[in-house]
Amino acid sequence: GQNIDQPTEMTATEGAIVQINCTYQTSGFNGLFWYQQHAGEAPTFLSYNVLDGLEEKGRFSSFLSRSKGYSYLLLKELQMKDSASYLCAVRDSDTGRRALTFGSGTRLQVQP
Amino acid sequence: EAQVTQNPRYLITVTGKKLTVTCSQNMNHEYMSWYRQDPGLGLRQIYYSMNVEVTDKGDVPEGYKVSRKEKRNFPLILESPSPNQTSLYFCASTQTPGFGANVLTFGAGSRLTVL
Repeated sequence: GQNIDQPTEMTATEGAIVQINCTYQTSGFNGLFWYQQHAGEAPTFLSYNVLDGLEEKGRFSSFLSRSKGYSYLLLKELQMKDSASYLCAVRDSDTGRRALTFGSGTRLQVQP
Repeated sequence: EAQVTQNPRYLITVTGKKLTVTCSQNMNHEYMSWYRQDPGLGLRQIYYSMNVEVTDKGDVPEGYKVSRKEKRNFPLILESPSPNQTSLYFCASTQTPGFGANVLTFGAGSRLTVL
């Protein structure tokens, strides 16, 4: 089975940098995804990591350490529109047919 | 436009009255899945389908049925809805879920209330 932990809520200031952590336990790791979800809307894909290291995509970066079972999503130059929930999701090679298992999400509130 | 379409978007019903939430994708994806999302619990998988006529249970299948008679459609059936099935439901699809950065594309969601 899988266990995914991420903080429930975070608050940050517009223009700042915020790091959202995710730890996971899985028997056969095969990729980690980050999704963004605005309230009442569908999740949308942000990033994908399968090897250790940092993946950068504009203002968003995602880091993975497979040995530590740890990932983080880094959001730079925060904007008000970044207020949303951020979902960490893990793909397990043993249950790859089921696509992804999601964490409960971190609700980020960006303040002026 | 590539998309996953769910209907209805909102529904209020009563206990025991059978209902179906439809899901259709126009991307020729082989894999489709249903999730429910509840506060504090995140997205939990109900059922998934690897291809036509191939379906399997996810984490929370009790009280639900699905079918996959055509590649594009994957309806979710609640034979006898109960209040604990009040939730936000998402349908999603992708081509090959077990490999690479194959991203799940989600529908807009269906908010169901069972009284």
